[in-house]
Amino acid sequence: EAGVTQFPSHSVIEKGQTVTLRCDPISGHDNLYWYRRVMGKEIKFLLHFVKESKQDESGMPNNRFLAERTGGTYSTLKVQPAELEDSGVYFCASSQVTRTPGDEQFFGPGTRLTVL
Amino acid sequence: GQNIDQPTEMTATEGAIVQINCTYQTSGFNGLFWYQQHAGEAPTFLSYNVLDGLEEKGRFSSFLSRSKGYSYLLLKELQMKDSASYLCAVIRSSNTGKLIFGQGTTLQVKP
Repeated sequence: EAGVTQFPSHSVIEKGQTVTLRCDPISGHDNLYWYRRVMGKEIKFLLHFVKESKQDESGMPNNRFLAERTGGTYSTLKVQPAELEDSGVYFCASSQVTRTPGDEQFFGPGTRLTVL
Repeated sequence: GQNIDQPTEMTATEGAIVQINCTYQTSGFNGLFWYQQHAGEAPTFLSYNVLDGLEEKGRFSSFLSRSKGYSYLLLKELQMKDSASYLCAVIRSSNTGKLIFGQGTTLQVKP
């Protein structure tokens, strides 16, 4: 069974440009999460999809970030326009339909975004 | 508010035992996870505790005390491959799987 995959693994862009990150969750997982780790800080929650619906987007930093999950399969996270402080590693995670809080989240390897 | 604290770095010797502590203060608590992350790789699940006590899984054990807001991860018979970052994360609500992470503890295992 394939794990969570993310594309690209690395992205280097200039301030003001647009970048789109993609996450393919494990097949059959309804829950999809985006997290971000800024250098020197802890991993922080961005948002949570259940199928194609946004369940919780309380962690989205501002309106320059747009997440979509059309059809409830893969998800994209677009940053437009990118700022220097957006640099970090963006992780995606997925889990099955939440039955208990202890359902394991499977993480992808992350996309390292560098904004110059 | 919420606060999760872990030591930043630890060093231990191959074959030894190491305990990584995590303290938390969160509004709402529905369990605590430990994840392992090797450099450049995805975090991988190690354990989940929601009730007080010790959960043992092979060389790794995790302990929780809800009244003290405290957990630890115990690694026995350390191997070089255990060198990694260990992440403590709390889940606050049963309505969402949102994880709140500590900064992680980088463990270096030396020969």
